Formats: sequence, structure tokens, C-alpha cells
Amino acid sequence: AIVLNQSPSSIIASQGEKVTITCRASSSISSNYLHWYQQKPGAFPKLVIYSTSYRASGVPSRFSGSGSGTSYSFTISRVEAEDVATYYCQQGSSNPPTFGAGTKLELK
Amino acid sequence: QIQLVQSGPELKKPGESVKISCKASGYTFTDYAMHWVKQAPGKGLKWMGWINTYTGKPTYADDFKGRFVFSLEASASTANLQISNLKNEDTATYFCARGRQLEYYFDYWGQGVMVTVSS
Repeated sequence: AIVLNQSPSSIIASQGEKVTITCRASSSISSNYLHWYQQKPGAFPKLVIYSTSYRASGVPSRFSGSGSGTSYSFTISRVEAEDVATYYCQQGSSNPPTFGAGTKLELK
Repeated sequence: QIQLVQSGPELKKPGESVKISCKASGYTFTDYAMHWVKQAPGKGLKWMGWINTYTGKPTYADDFKGRFVFSLEASASTANLQISNLKNEDTATYFCARGRQLEYYFDYWGQGVMVTVSS
């Protein structure tokens, strides 16, 4: 199975700050198959970015993604209070689909 | 609007069975696969497998072969997850999620069902 290593495991950021999360895969992945989810405390995961860089419906433009091969990143350009959540990357390139361990974003 | 509504929380004893439902609405049920994802308390997400909602064929991840059964009530646009011979380590929240099979991502999720296994 492809292992996804997310870093950092936690971030403490100020409102308005830019944050970036990295997801590194143990094998190369086509960019079509790398996705990002947001899970707020006590809630279900929500698709934020699919296929590396496409925002899901209704997702604000401050969220973006990029990457290729084994290295991908997820960026929030200006963090808002409502962005407090755990973010997961997920690959669908190889069976079984796997998730990163998550990055917990907190506000300073 | 598209919704996946799951059944309520469950408290079970070791060795018992549980059946969780996931009712879909707002789209044609048989056009999309349904996946199941486990989240143990305080832990990350683990894919359990999926069911082809058109044919009813289930596919299980290696760690979920044997005691786990995916089924459908297609006429009711409902997918079910049954877990038998429950163990303490089955204590978790179980999510259903609609799957986009080409790019293999999950675009809509149920609210999750907390299953607690305790003697």
C-alpha cells in the first residue's frame, strides 16, 4: 500500500497567516489521484481539493493545492477561524486508497 | 441536495453484531459507488472497502475481510455495514462516503455512526 507522510502533524497559526501542509507518497502518484479533506472537530470529513489542485464545490479560493509525483502540498493563503480542523491527504492511485495521518490546524 | 444520512450511535458488547445504515438522497443511487471508512477515537481515517451499488458486489480491504459485510437495499437507496463478533478494537466512528471511481475520491460523506464496544 502507498504510505502518505503528512507534515507537519500540527500547526498553530494566526488568523490571516499562510499555512502549507506537505504530503509525501511512498511511491509516485498521478496528480489525478491525490485529494485533500478537511475534518472539523466532531464532524465528518469534507472534500476540499481533488486531483491535486481542483477546489470542490463551494470551497473558498484561499484553499489551493499543488504537486506531482511523490510530493504534494496544500495551502491556505490566509487562515480564518473557521479553518480550524484536521486536514488529510488521500491517494486513489493504488489499491487500497490510503490517507495521510492528518495535520491539525489550530489558531494562535 | 445530496445527502448521506446514517443511523444512530450503537453500544454493543463484545461478540455481538451491529448493522449500520447509510441512506442516500439527491442523486441516482446506482450511479456511484459507496465506500466505508473507519475512524477510531482520536485517530485518522482508514478505508474499509466499497460496494458497487449497481451490481451489489462488495470489495473489502484486507483488514476488513471476514467479520464485515457491505450490503444494499437499492430500492431504498441505502447501503449497510454489518460487523459481526464485535471486538473492543471495533470501537470507532464509521462513515459512508460516495465514491468518484475514476479519480478515486470521496465527494459526499455521511455524518458517521459511533459504535462503542464495551462489556
